[in-house]
Amino acid sequence: QQQVKQSPQSLIVQKGGISIINCAYENTAFDYFPWYQQFPGKGPALLIAIRPDVSEKKEGRFTISFNKSAKQFSLHIMDSQPGDSATYFCAASRWTGNQFYFGTGTSLTVIP
Amino acid sequence: GAGVSQSPRYKVAKRGQDVALRCDPISGHVSLFWYQQALGQGPEFLTYFQNEAQLDKSGLPSDRFFAERPEGSVSTLKIQRTQQEDSAVYLCASSSNRATNEKLFFGSGTQLSVL
Repeated sequence: QQQVKQSPQSLIVQKGGISIINCAYENTAFDYFPWYQQFPGKGPALLIAIRPDVSEKKEGRFTISFNKSAKQFSLHIMDSQPGDSATYFCAASRWTGNQFYFGTGTSLTVIP
Repeated sequence: GAGVSQSPRYKVAKRGQDVALRCDPISGHVSLFWYQQALGQGPEFLTYFQNEAQLDKSGLPSDRFFAERPEGSVSTLKIQRTQQEDSAVYLCASSSNRATNEKLFFGSGTQLSVL
């Protein structure tokens, strides 16, 4: 059973536009929700993360929105740039756990 | 080192061969994780070490998979009698935090191809 569902599978956005990636999770025990960015040939790198005590977290052009009741969270990339072109993974875990459950990834292409 | 280092970068094995994948975590990081990433998929958890102790191996897909971290630093993931379904990128991650999941640093992975 997929613990974390991610959509869309791929996304094409014009430079300067907003990229939005959505995730939904099943396990209500999860209380840590990071987003990872992965470039080809590289390992995932932590981009931004949120815990359920807040509904939104912003770091620069990246914002996580979190809806606890719906068990959903999303990543918004404002003013998208060609350098943002990468695969993005959402994940969920218990804050004190040792396993991340990753989504299937979203391939983002930002067109100049 | 500056980051998590994995070797080899690529490994081609014939079906039935044994392989060993190495991970050098960031110096001083007590927590070490192995993940398997199939083509076009997200990483899937294999196993977790805290120092030399393997605290969770629930993600290892079969008894052909074995991991160790004997001195609490370098770790080796060994796959015996490789099968085609073992073809994937194997990612190692480390963390300085032993209590929480925060801030995992991933290596670039070892891409294993089993022919």
